[in-house]
Amino acid sequence: AQSVAQPEDQVNVAEGNPLTVKCTYSVSGNPYLFWYVQYPNRGLQFLLKYITGDNLVKGSYGFEAEFNKSQTSFHLKKPSALVSDSALYFCAVRDERSSNTGKLIFGQGTTLQVKP
Amino acid sequence: DAGVIQSPRHEVTEMGQEVTLRCKPISGHNSLFWYRQTMMRGLELLIYFNNNVPIDDSGMPEDRFSAKMPNASFSTLKIQPSEPRDSAVYFCASSLRGTGSSYNEQFFGPGTRLTVL
Repeated sequence: AQSVAQPEDQVNVAEGNPLTVKCTYSVSGNPYLFWYVQYPNRGLQFLLKYITGDNLVKGSYGFEAEFNKSQTSFHLKKPSALVSDSALYFCAVRDERSSNTGKLIFGQGTTLQVKP
Repeated sequence: DAGVIQSPRHEVTEMGQEVTLRCKPISGHNSLFWYRQTMMRGLELLIYFNNNVPIDDSGMPEDRFSAKMPNASFSTLKIQPSEPRDSAVYFCASSLRGTGSSYNEQFFGPGTRLTVL
């Protein structure tokens, strides 16, 4: 069955330190993977996606994600965290059963807390 | 581009009342999704449309919930009658159906915060 897992409910990091938000997936075919961010009282915003090509994907606000096929992971990273990065982060994978309609399967979300 | 537009942004109603949430997708997008977000259950997909046709409504909690998309620029999610457990933030999202290996991201609206007393 297709699924996305975000093993950490919350990640705490000090400002200026690197951050990693973890995501693992399970699909039967080629994975199409996404990261979204949700700030308080806002809708989800697209950060980046992996469809094919380079395993390191760069996205908005200095974020990047590394696709690792052997570990079925797509961890979100940033070299130097900002307090303003504090938000809820969602990993998502395309639903292969409805590949032409844009349906995504979302993880449960990880709260990132960046302390000054 | 104005993005996905949802109205109202906040709705407070009493149990048993009908509630209608509205969504205007991004012009040119052909897929539309309704989600519900709560602390307990996280983000749940309720229903989605492709080219105005409902594709999968298996996420709709019960018959009290219904959704329509009469044209490419408008969709509604209706709850009748509403119950306190329906209190949540409801999001609408739209995307452009890709072809071949392309796959386009979903764009979310700001959400409607529903409180049922």
